[in-house]
Amino acid sequence: QKEVEQNSGPLSVPEGAIASLNCTYSDRVSQSFFWYRQYSGKSPELIMSIYSNGDKEDGRFTAQLNKASQYVSLLIRDSQPSDSATYLCAAAGNTPLVFGKGTRLSVIA
Amino acid sequence: DTEVTQTPKHLVMGMTNKKSLKCEQHMGHRAMYWYKQKAKKPPELMFVYSYEKLSINESVPSRFSPECPNSSLLNLHLHALQPEDSALYLCASSQEPKNQPQHFGDGTRLSIL
Repeated sequence: QKEVEQNSGPLSVPEGAIASLNCTYSDRVSQSFFWYRQYSGKSPELIMSIYSNGDKEDGRFTAQLNKASQYVSLLIRDSQPSDSATYLCAAAGNTPLVFGKGTRLSVIA
Repeated sequence: DTEVTQTPKHLVMGMTNKKSLKCEQHMGHRAMYWYKQKAKKPPELMFVYSYEKLSINESVPSRFSPECPNSSLLNLHLHALQPEDSALYLCASSQEPKNQPQHFGDGTRLSIL
């Protein structure tokens, strides 16, 4: 069974700090990895995609992928209260996306 | 605004009613998906259409019936639903069915009385 594991949180960080969200996956065939942000009562919004080992930066967000360790992470720099949401990690390969259960992030002003 | 449009945004129906959820995308995506999401849970895949053909049915009860009239449209027909079917129903699309990010609509909040 393909699985994506995330710590459910809540992860609380002070405003301006770096939030670090982690994810592991079980299927070595997975090739593509995505981070979605979901505000309460809203739909998931794609914020980062990563396909190869290493880091990918987009504004305040950095995604990191280590295929040997089957590990994906998302760093949010200068966290803002508006970043408070649930972050879903997803892995894709020869099947549709497999979602983790999500990590709830709370940024405290 | 999302590029995947779902209607209606909210739906309240009785257990004997028949209703349909609609989803539309104009991004030229060839894969479309229906998900069900309960509070504080991740989206749960229901159906996948790939090139207008049903490719995955995740053992969904027959009271949910999907339809893909063309490459831009996806419907979910509902009949004789149960109270436990109350949830947020999400439509998503992706360029191809594999290895691609999915883009979600805003969802339909469904309540079964």
